Amino acid sequence: EAGVAQSPRYKIIEKRQSVAFWCNPISGHATLYWYQQILGQGPKLLIQFQNNGVVDDSQLPKDRFSAERLKGVDSTLKIQPAKLEDSAVYLCASSLSWGGQETQYFGPGTRLLVL
Amino acid sequence: AQKVTQAQTEISVVEKEDVTLDCVYETRDTTYYLFWYKQPPSGELVFLIRRNSFDEQNEISGRYSWNFQKSTSSFNFTITASQVVDSAVYFCALSEYGGATNKLIFGTGTLLAVQP
Repeated sequence: EAGVAQSPRYKIIEKRQSVAFWCNPISGHATLYWYQQILGQGPKLLIQFQNNGVVDDSQLPKDRFSAERLKGVDSTLKIQPAKLEDSAVYLCASSLSWGGQETQYFGPGTRLLVL
Repeated sequence: AQKVTQAQTEISVVEKEDVTLDCVYETRDTTYYLFWYKQPPSGELVFLIRRNSFDEQNEISGRYSWNFQKSTSSFNFTITASQVVDSAVYFCALSEYGGATNKLIFGTGTLLAVQP
């Protein structure tokens, strides 16, 4: 079974530029998550989708971050414009369904460096 | 508020030594789930174990074992006879059941370095 796919793996941009990350969850997984992991810290949830609806985006900086999951499968996370503090690893995860008992499976992440 | 504390920032051991990674959690809920993930240098978080709050039985999987104690709010992870391939950052995480979201609350991780 294929795991969670993410691209690109690495991205270097200058501040105020835009960037987009793509995620393809495990086949059949209804719930998709985007986490931000700053160096030396644990991942922090940015947004959670159940199918194509948003369950939780309370930690998403909505003035610059946006995310969509239009057909309930793939998802895109965008940052516009990027700031230096956005330098982090962006991890996508998916789970079969929604609920605290569900195990989240993570992709390899996208390492973003903002100069 | 939910919180996960991994007090050990870095641990260095020599191959074949046993090592225990500590995890202490805080939650007001009676039903919750605890997880351990491994993050090797490649960056991907690899799922190791899930434990619910009603199951306090210790679990063993090969060289890995987990000790869950509700009385001390701890969920510790032991690697027996460590190997170089065990070198990674290990994260403990907490998730509530039935809340508005099932986001994982992660600790800050413990970097384990196993020297040959």
